[in-house]
Amino acid sequence: GAGVSQSPSNKVTEKGKDVELRCDPISGHTALYWYRQSLGQGLEFLIYFQGNSAPDKSGLPSDRFSAERTGGSVSTLTIQRTQQEDSAVYLCASSSSWGQGETQYFGPGTRLLVL
Amino acid sequence: QKEVEQDPGPLSVPEGAIVSLNCTYSNSAFQYFMWYRQYSRKGPELLMYTYSSGNKEDGRFTAQVDKSSKYISLFIRDSQPSDSATYLCAMSETSYDKVIFGPGTSLSVIP
Repeated sequence: GAGVSQSPSNKVTEKGKDVELRCDPISGHTALYWYRQSLGQGLEFLIYFQGNSAPDKSGLPSDRFSAERTGGSVSTLTIQRTQQEDSAVYLCASSSSWGQGETQYFGPGTRLLVL
Repeated sequence: QKEVEQDPGPLSVPEGAIVSLNCTYSNSAFQYFMWYRQYSRKGPELLMYTYSSGNKEDGRFTAQVDKSSKYISLFIRDSQPSDSATYLCAMSETSYDKVIFGPGTSLSVIP
């Protein structure tokens, strides 16, 4: 596709359930980033991938959060045992390579609501 | 203190006005500065990118960086209703560091 796509666009879940969020980066982009955006907050960096490797996982809020990337393309962010404070917009971005943070292209985000 | 501070607004201006959006930061090592625009229910899109201090102009948009004051600005001339969005400043130490975003300023341009 022409841009970064994310699915689902909206997700409502019950506290304690697991959720999976998907990101399809721009074709050929080797770097992929996950951010979280809460109301009134800036984008909070979660994790980035260079290829299938995640050199920097420092932003993951807790061990309930994990992410993987396969085939250097699609990435999945998984949140286990969701909590109400996990409610936010989860944004994915990709760039042609790591080291060009200024040229990240963002997807529309997944809006997660934990009841 | 947050690394990057930004007045959340909302800021409301009449069409045609000059808009000034600002961010302050605490990390003197930041060298790369960006402004993103985010429309409602969309992902951010890069507007301006500058390295180190100085000005950069692109059409109606001008970005200024004052590293001595740890202060960056985005000016929008002849503002249009289509400029109504949230504007996020962002910065990093090197082009290989993760980008730190401000919380964003909500702008409304009234016709």
